Amino acid sequence: TQLLEQSPQFLSIQEGENLTVYCNSSSVFSSLQWYRQEPGEGPVLLVTVVTGGEVKKLKRLTFQFGDARKDSSLHITAAQPGDTGLYLCAVYSSASKIIFGSGTRLSIRP
Amino acid sequence: NAGVTQTPKFQVLKTGQSMTLQCAQDMNHEYMSWYRQDPGMGLRLIHYSVGAGITDQGEVPNGYNVSRSTTEDFPLRLLSAAPSQTSVYFCASSYGGGPHNEQFFGPGTRLTVL
Repeated sequence: TQLLEQSPQFLSIQEGENLTVYCNSSSVFSSLQWYRQEPGEGPVLLVTVVTGGEVKKLKRLTFQFGDARKDSSLHITAAQPGDTGLYLCAVYSSASKIIFGSGTRLSIRP
Repeated sequence: NAGVTQTPKFQVLKTGQSMTLQCAQDMNHEYMSWYRQDPGMGLRLIHYSVGAGITDQGEVPNGYNVSRSTTEDFPLRLLSAAPSQTSVYFCASSYGGGPHNEQFFGPGTRLTVL
């Protein structure tokens, strides 16, 4: 059983559309991170959310941490081809052990 | 700053062969870790280290050994490669092991075991 469930697994949308991807768990976490991975490269950190209900914005990307600190969402407004990639959420399951979700693979069609 | 470097970039092994995947960082990070990434799956933690001389197991440690003799280097050893170890391997480092630390990843090593 995955500690973190990400949905959808795959998403292909037209440039300019909006989208939301999710990261869910039955466990409570002190913080949650979102990474983006482009083909042939390692993941790169986008944001860390630490407070229940917290909302962080990074240009067209909006990240929210659930009130109960069990889930998170990533909303992209007016998607661009440069947003294409694998989006991964990650948490610390115990001291120093970092666990990643299986990811959402996003494709933006021009 | 080179960041996190990994060698080799690609490797093909035969079943039963051994090899070492190299990982180095020049950011003076205490925390280093190894992940494998398989199609349709995220990153799974193999081993990690919170500092020189200290290592511990992650989710999928079987078939892999690590050591951390210096802050900079964290090699991953496959003692007897198996086809199930075909994967992309990523090394990462961070300033500390706490939940607010950013993980910096290397470019990955693509390993095929025949």
